[in-house]
Amino acid sequence: GENVEQHPSTLSVQEGDSAVIKCTYSDSASNYFPWYKQELGKRPQLIIDIRSNVGEKKDQRIAVTLNKTAKHFSLHITETQPEDSAVYFCAASSNTGKLIFGQGTTLQVKP
Amino acid sequence: NAGVTQTPKFQVLKTGQSMTLQCAQDMNHNSMYWYRQDPGMGLRLIYYSASEGTTDKGEVPNGYNVSRLNKREFSLRLESAAPSQTSVYFCASSDWGVDTEAFFGQGTRLTVV
Repeated sequence: GENVEQHPSTLSVQEGDSAVIKCTYSDSASNYFPWYKQELGKRPQLIIDIRSNVGEKKDQRIAVTLNKTAKHFSLHITETQPEDSAVYFCAASSNTGKLIFGQGTTLQVKP
Repeated sequence: NAGVTQTPKFQVLKTGQSMTLQCAQDMNHNSMYWYRQDPGMGLRLIYYSASEGTTDKGEVPNGYNVSRLNKREFSLRLESAAPSQTSVYFCASSDWGVDTEAFFGQGTRLTVV
């Protein structure tokens, strides 16, 4: 079955620096790759997603890149701010609709 | 428009007791999911339902059963609770094939003693 590995598990950056979180997936049939942000005590919420026919997608300070050949995708956050501090999850899904998540990355942005 | 609603929000069970976690969505979504969240383990899929009348096992189905009662409701049942099932449980739904964003409920914090 699908397996998603996420690294690093924790990441600490200074405000204004960039943060990069990487994920790999196992199922070559996966075609949808969302990223979720979960603030402490709250539910996960979608921040950006990418489909397999696209290599990169940007939305203001966040971007996601996808390398289908290597089966990995990454989240890039530029000009980090304290409110970016949260747990970030990557996920992968194929046409079955089964959505599998990575283990999560706790991002700390230090003022 | 409430989105995805889970009940209860908190629950304490004794080992061996049974309970059902309820989930309902009002977005007319076809797909629904149950996840558990444990520290360092991320969100692990327990069961999912691609459409009304269908259910399928996820990554960690043992000890759980589900029922897709209708398009709106997807319940998760623990027949004989064990301490290893202490976790935060999230229900989610999506309109797979149309708009794939999954929306989550607020979570249920379950403690089995």
